[in-house]
Amino acid sequence: QVQVVESGGRLVRPGGSLTLSCATSGFTLTGHYMTWIRRTPENGLEWISYMSASGSSTSYADSVRGRFTMSRDNGENLVTLQMNNLRVEDTAVYYCARGLGDYVGLGVWGPGTQVTVAS
Amino acid sequence: EVVLTQFPDTLSLPPGERATLSCRASQSVSNYLAWYQVKTGQPPRLLIYDTSNRAPGIPPRFSGRGSETDFTLTISSLDPEDVGLYFCQQRFSWPPMFTFGQGTNLEI
Repeated sequence: QVQVVESGGRLVRPGGSLTLSCATSGFTLTGHYMTWIRRTPENGLEWISYMSASGSSTSYADSVRGRFTMSRDNGENLVTLQMNNLRVEDTAVYYCARGLGDYVGLGVWGPGTQVTVAS
Repeated sequence: EVVLTQFPDTLSLPPGERATLSCRASQSVSNYLAWYQVKTGQPPRLLIYDTSNRAPGIPPRFSGRGSETDFTLTISSLDPEDVGLYFCQQRFSWPPMFTFGQGTNLEI
């Protein structure tokens, strides 16, 4: 069964760091692009980061570039998001999502993990 | 950056009616557009990919069309379970970057 499950979200102070994990199963990471998306408290969706199927290309939203880093471990079927210098506005539910082949569409989503940045 | 604007912000219709949700891009995105449904407490659900292709398991009452800058999602006959937020999403540049519209709240 194709599945992704996020973990690692918690309360963290502004300026702090956090690592989110996305455990994948039922498919190989080298066959699909992966993304991180967040759902804001205002109920909007914001794309955060992308990694190509080969793992050789990444991209980030302007709001997180230089602070967040996406990586993966093919052997462990794990995708991670390292978040540094967190801000109050990074508070959101974070989702790991798998691309639908090469198409524009994210067909597999995890349940999400809550990150709260507050003092 | 390509900006997606959705309208209306809120759409309220009775069951059985036809709903048309719109998404306009600030510049051409070709057919690189997807639609999602989001229900409270649940992750987004992919409805349509590459403008007009229904995702696996999506009922045929959902359809998408459009090109370049103007896109629509149509729900042909509303079911009470269709209530929720609907977002369009596009991809641009290489490596890819993505943006979402601000969402349409569908009330049944």
